[in-house]
Amino acid sequence: AQSVAQPEDQVNVAEGNPLTVKCTYSVSGNPYLFWYVQYPNRGLQFLLKYITGDNLVKGSYGFEAEFNKSQTSFHLKKPSALVSDSALYFCAVRDFLNTGNQFYFGTGTSLTVIP
Amino acid sequence: DSGVTQTPKHLITATGQRVTLRCSPRSGDLSVYWYQQSLDQGLQFLIQYYNGEERAKGNILERFSAQQFPDLHSELNLSSLELGDSALYFCASSVYERRDEQFFGPGTRLTVL
Repeated sequence: AQSVAQPEDQVNVAEGNPLTVKCTYSVSGNPYLFWYVQYPNRGLQFLLKYITGDNLVKGSYGFEAEFNKSQTSFHLKKPSALVSDSALYFCAVRDFLNTGNQFYFGTGTSLTVIP
Repeated sequence: DSGVTQTPKHLITATGQRVTLRCSPRSGDLSVYWYQQSLDQGLQFLIQYYNGEERAKGNILERFSAQQFPDLHSELNLSSLELGDSALYFCASSVYERRDEQFFGPGTRLTVL
């Protein structure tokens, strides 16, 4: 079973509009959740993480994510998209209970912000 | 620039061969992670070392092995290479073992012919 899912391969949004990139997970217990961004021909860059505490997490470049335990989701959001936000976004979960601290990454969502 | 360095940048080799990828973590980071990124498999976690000891293991093939040295740099050894091993291999590092974010290197692109 897939531990983390990003249901949308591609998301298009107009510049200035709010954006959402979806992520759901299927790991039991209290996993750690992360968002990373990858620009072409580059390594991944950390955006934000949820470990514990407040369900709304704020990260780099104006991004935020909301942890929803009942829906097992960790959607990435930004109030106003920029063209420079266009990139590949990965959700990741670290499972401490079942699989020996493994990291699982989603398949990635390609975000295009249209000028 | 994340501060994580990987060498070489590109590697072209033949099936059946063995290669070694090298990673130097950010100064002060004790954990090193290895990942494989390919078009069909996506981003796969391979293995994590913390201060020289293996801490977590993912989908790493038996033909692959890794280690972290006393100076904290790490090497990923890939042997009996197959066409399907062609991928981008990333190294990442973090300060601690569990909860902190990782800083990724630029990757090594391996092409097996």
